[in-house]
Amino acid sequence: QSVLTQPPSVSGAPGQRVTISCIGSNSNIGAGYNVYWYRQLPGTPPKLLIYHNSLRPSGVPDRISGSNSGTSASLAITGLQAEDEADYYCQSFDISLSASVFGGGTKLTVL
Amino acid sequence: VQLVQSGAEVKKPGASVKVSCKASGYIFSNYAMHWVRQAPGQRLEWMGWIDADNGKTKYSQTFQGRVTFTRDRSASTVYMEVGSLRSEDTAVYYCARDFSGYDLDCFDPWGQGTLLTVSS
Repeated sequence: QSVLTQPPSVSGAPGQRVTISCIGSNSNIGAGYNVYWYRQLPGTPPKLLIYHNSLRPSGVPDRISGSNSGTSASLAITGLQAEDEADYYCQSFDISLSASVFGGGTKLTVL
Repeated sequence: VQLVQSGAEVKKPGASVKVSCKASGYIFSNYAMHWVRQAPGQRLEWMGWIDADNGKTKYSQTFQGRVTFTRDRSASTVYMEVGSLRSEDTAVYYCARDFSGYDLDCFDPWGQGTLLTVSS
């Protein structure tokens, strides 16, 4: 079962804007725990894109942004590029499990 | 900053495995290290963390009792040992440094991953 729920796939044409949702509950996102986002290319480890809901680590372009509200969070990518094609995962902390938890991942396809 | 993990392993059910993760490029004791696994086609699954300074550990309930994290400060290396292996443990295992030190919230960078195959 999914503690954090993401759409299995999203797609967009080059230059467009896409968003990826991450739906949680009152034991994780809704409880005020921060949300993090990762990008994973095939055969490589995940890389942190967003921390503390909306902050970008050094080197992550500002066309990538994060937000959250209530029990859900979103990752937005504008000016879509071919290099954005990857799997994206959200992550937070769940107080009932006392564990960090991940979403099921979303495959972004650039058309 | 770099995390280099040991190579792929093939084990039989019931056996145990020990995976290493050697850190470089930062002060080893200043950051916690997490372990995350990814079974084929499955989501990432957080396993727990180890305090690189004093060796304190925290395990996810899913892995409590079957996984052990240790560290060797002199070698800047952490280890993960999993016992009583079963086929469902077939996965890529990643070590991942705590992003901020000991905030224990998110993970970056990650090791390259170690593929563990459990098969009779």
